[in-house]
Amino acid sequence: RKEVEQDPGPFNVPEGATVAFNCTYSNSASQSFFWYRQDCRKEPKLLMSVYSSGNEDGRFTAQLNRASQYISLLIRDSKLSDSATYLCVRHSGGYNKLIFGAGTRLAVHP
Amino acid sequence: DTAVSQTPKYLVTQMGNDKSIKCEQNLGHDTMYWYKQDSKKFLKIMFSYNNKELIINETVPNRFSPKSPDKAHLNLHINSLELGDSAVYFCASSQDSRGGANYGYTFGSGTRLTVV
Repeated sequence: RKEVEQDPGPFNVPEGATVAFNCTYSNSASQSFFWYRQDCRKEPKLLMSVYSSGNEDGRFTAQLNRASQYISLLIRDSKLSDSATYLCVRHSGGYNKLIFGAGTRLAVHP
Repeated sequence: DTAVSQTPKYLVTQMGNDKSIKCEQNLGHDTMYWYKQDSKKFLKIMFSYNNKELIINETVPNRFSPKSPDKAHLNLHINSLELGDSAVYFCASSQDSRGGANYGYTFGSGTRLTVV
């Protein structure tokens, strides 16, 4: 089983839609998680950290469910500019090693 | 002012050649990384250096040799290139990672390596 698993998509949604991605992880000792965003042929960029209590940043909400070992990202009121690949990331203790999922592709259309 | 810069952006070379990729960061970070993103878009860590000391060395062929002359630079030298080495190589940096501290990365824009 991969350390971090994501549905590769693509998720094709119209502008204004709400879309949610899930990601599962295999190491129950994992403490910290992130969502990164990667545009086509660009580098990954940190979107948001994921806290146990959940966190919100504008239209983006991230949740962590430790019992079921998954994290989620909810995007409300999708914009064309949200089209990208969203990478679920687990922090592996020790030396700040980040373990990346293969990403979920989102395509927002007019 | 680019925070993490890699050169070259593109590299096309023949099998069997030796090539180097350079990375520099001006963020004052202590830790630098090399990641490989293959054709399936899967990002996998290769190496990490903290203040010139190698701290992460994943299962990578020994044809790949990182070098960190100082904490702001991390280079990657690849010997005897193979077709399977074709990928995008990303350099990244973060604050001091010792003790398992949890810091996000800043990535460079990547080097697209094509071996023909």
